[in-house]
Parts: sequence; structure tokens; C-alpha cells
Amino acid sequence: QVKLQQSGAELVKPGASVKLSCKTSGYTFSTSYMSWFKQIPGQSIEWIGMIYAGDGGTGYNQKFKGKATLTVDTSSSTAYMDLSSLTTEDSAVYFCARWELWYFDFWGPGTMVTVSS
Amino acid sequence: DVVLTQTPSTLSATIGQSVSISCRSSQSLLDSAGNTYLYWYLQRPGQSPQLLIYLVSNLGSGVPNRFSGSGSGTDFTLKISGVEAEDLGVYYCMQATHAPLTFGSGTKLEIK
Repeated sequence: QVKLQQSGAELVKPGASVKLSCKTSGYTFSTSYMSWFKQIPGQSIEWIGMIYAGDGGTGYNQKFKGKATLTVDTSSSTAYMDLSSLTTEDSAVYFCARWELWYFDFWGPGTMVTVSS
Repeated sequence: DVVLTQTPSTLSATIGQSVSISCRSSQSLLDSAGNTYLYWYLQRPGQSPQLLIYLVSNLGSGVPNRFSGSGSGTDFTLKISGVEAEDLGVYYCMQATHAPLTFGSGTKLEIK
């Protein structure tokens, strides 16, 4: 069955970078699309961007250009998101989700990122 | 960016009651190919969102048929016909017609 496993919670200092992972199983990763989302606890959800695993092609929400970089490793069926120059405003839960034909059908459990000195 | 306005922000319902949530878009969500990329997701406490409805009115896999979606253009509705205890959580509408994808602010369903 389809599974998306996300990396564990991160505590990082302001100005630092962090790389989050989303390891998949149960489907053909190399021909799939993956999106990433940000959710500050108690708030709504923001779409960060999407990557096509087949060729690494990406599309970003303008708001997150320069902040987030999406990559994939097809050999391990894993999607990654780099977040750079972190500030307290980047403290949030980050989700990955598979886009299948018409919708996001499977979501990872989320990774909590806390930016604090 | 497309703004999705959800009402109400909070809903309190008894078991078996039918409720509706509205989602209004700042722009038409009908694309040039005739598709309307409007979705409904439920996020239970401490969990990731799960798909309920896609393309306005199509039930997601495994979703109970007490959930239904309707609407067109800029006005959309999610209806729950007979709330059950497991339905508590926050409901979000999401649009994927216009980049960037955007979500509504959410409707929290509480069980009385």
C-alpha cells in the first residue's frame, strides 16, 4: 500500500538551513508528482510547490521561491525539501503529499520544524 | 492569488444532524477545459489532511456517502448528511485551478 514517511522533528537556529525528507513506498515514485505544504499550528495550509519525480521539474508558489528547494532521489523513492535562511516565521509543520491524476490522495504525517535560538 | 472564504468558521452539531459548509472563491474556478478543481479535505486533530471530495462533487476513495459536494463557478458547498462522532476536525476547501494552489481558512466541526 502507498506510504509516505517523513523525517523527524527539527529544532534549528535562525539563519540555518534544514532538509526534510519524504520517503515513499507502494507505488511507482519515478512517474509521480509530489507537493509540499506548510501549516502553522492552528492556521490554514499553504502550498509550497510541486516536483515531478520523472525529470525533477518543479513549480513553486512565488511566496516560497528562494526559501524552499524541492528535489528527489528516484533510487530511494524519496522527495526532499530544503528550507534556507530560516526565521521564526518558518516554524511550522511541513507535509508532503502525492498528486495522483486529479487530487492529493496520500499525505505524510508531517514534520515539525521549530526555529529558535 | 485566489482567496477562498469559508463559512462558518466554527460549527457545532449533534450526532445525526445534517450540516453544510460554504466555500466562496474570489475568482471562477472553472478552467478553459471545463474542469473545476475544487476539493474538500478533513484534518482530524493531530493528523494530516484527508481527501473527502474532488472536482466539486466526486467522493474520494473510502469516503462515506454522507459527505457530498456541490456548486459551480465561485460558490461551493460541502454537506454532511448525518454527522457522526468521527467527523470532528477542521474542514478545508482547496482550489487547484489557478496557481498557486490555495486553501480556505477552515471550518472547525465540533460535536455537541
